[in-house]
Amino acid sequence: KNEVEQSPQNLTAQEGEFITINCSYSVGISALHWLQQHPGGGIVSLFMLSSGKKKHGRLIATINIQEKHSSLHITASHPRDSAVYICAVSQGGSEKLVFGKGTKLTVNP
Amino acid sequence: EPEVTQTPSHQVTQMGQEVILRCVPISNHLYFYWYRQILGQKVEFLVSFYNNEISEKSEIFDDQFSVERPDGSNFTLKIRSTKLEDSAMYFCASSGLGAANTEAFFGQGTRLTVV
Repeated sequence: KNEVEQSPQNLTAQEGEFITINCSYSVGISALHWLQQHPGGGIVSLFMLSSGKKKHGRLIATINIQEKHSSLHITASHPRDSAVYICAVSQGGSEKLVFGKGTKLTVNP
Repeated sequence: EPEVTQTPSHQVTQMGQEVILRCVPISNHLYFYWYRQILGQKVEFLVSFYNNEISEKSEIFDDQFSVERPDGSNFTLKIRSTKLEDSAMYFCASSGLGAANTEAFFGQGTRLTVV
């Protein structure tokens, strides 16, 4: 059974700050997903990665397979980035995602 | 942009009643999922569906739950006799390939309240 831990649980930042959210998992995975959940509840996929680094706009996701760790970075944060960011993993032989508890990010103007 | 749609967005039902949650996955996707999120808790996997059959299910997905793809577009989750603890947000998701190979696209969720 894979345990997915995220830190921090809550994060408050000022607009423009560089944000880092961390995710660690206990068992080898086939892919790691970063997702965003807005207050209304809907979930949006941000990245899926199995190695290295991906970038989309101001978002960067990295993964270190050996250390079983991933980070999500947000550059030049903006109040509209305020949401819950969730890490989820899939393991070989299974199609399900195992979710972390999420990191609630609040960016103040 | 293609999206996963879920109906209804909110449902209130009495304990013991049957509910059907509906989803229209993205049309060319092959894998379909139901997840749930109890208020304040993390998202939990319920069931995956591929090639017209359940491919995986969790311990939560007991005999009270069933899924169906009645036609080429809809994917439904039925709860036969709802309990108070079934109150949660239910998310449908779909992916072109499995979660190991591609992103999953989630619907906006159905908030189920059992009273």
